[in-house]
Amino acid sequence: GAGVSQSPRYKVTKRGQDVALRCDPISGHVSLYWYRQALGQGPEFLTYFNYEAQQDKSGLPNDRFSAERPEGSISTLTIQRTEQRDSAMYRCASSLGARGSSYNEQFFGPGTRLTVL
Amino acid sequence: QKEVEQNSGPLSVPEGAIASLNCTYSDRGSQSFFWYRQYSGKSPELIMFIYSNGDKEDGRFTAQLNKASQYVSLLIRDSQPSDSATYLCAVTYNFNKFYFGSGTKLNVKP
Repeated sequence: GAGVSQSPRYKVTKRGQDVALRCDPISGHVSLYWYRQALGQGPEFLTYFNYEAQQDKSGLPNDRFSAERPEGSISTLTIQRTEQRDSAMYRCASSLGARGSSYNEQFFGPGTRLTVL
Repeated sequence: QKEVEQNSGPLSVPEGAIASLNCTYSDRGSQSFFWYRQYSGKSPELIMFIYSNGDKEDGRFTAQLNKASQYVSLLIRDSQPSDSATYLCAVTYNFNKFYFGSGTKLNVKP
């Protein structure tokens, strides 16, 4: 596929369960970002990977949230012991991240709509 | 105070008019500035980026940046109904972390 893909597209879970959200970036894209977007709001930064290295995780709300990108391609965002306040759209974006480039266009995936009951 | 502030709108303009969207940011160290368009139920898509003071034009779109005033704007000339969407302003210092505004909803009336 040509774009960023995310799975599942929709996830309904019960409070207290763990969920894993997957992001498959555009092939060759070095940089990968995770965002959370509430209805009527802009994307809120969660974490950033450069290849497999998690360069910035300052946006993760608490220690129930974690992310990994072990081989520098697919990434997984895991939320443990989900709470109702975790309900949101979770978006992944990737960019070329070429060293020395002056900007990096982020291509967003379709998102995963998470609902915690 | 939020890192990036935008008027939520909605901003309504007639077809063919100029739409002016504004954004202010709090971090003086911000280096690069982006405008994204997001249609309802869709993902954001990049319209323009700017990192030097002044104007940058791309077709019907012009981005304006004033770092001294910490202000960035987007002008859309000859607005079309298909431009109706939410416009998101984003800023970054080092491309590791991006701050997005909450977006301005634009309605272009035929």
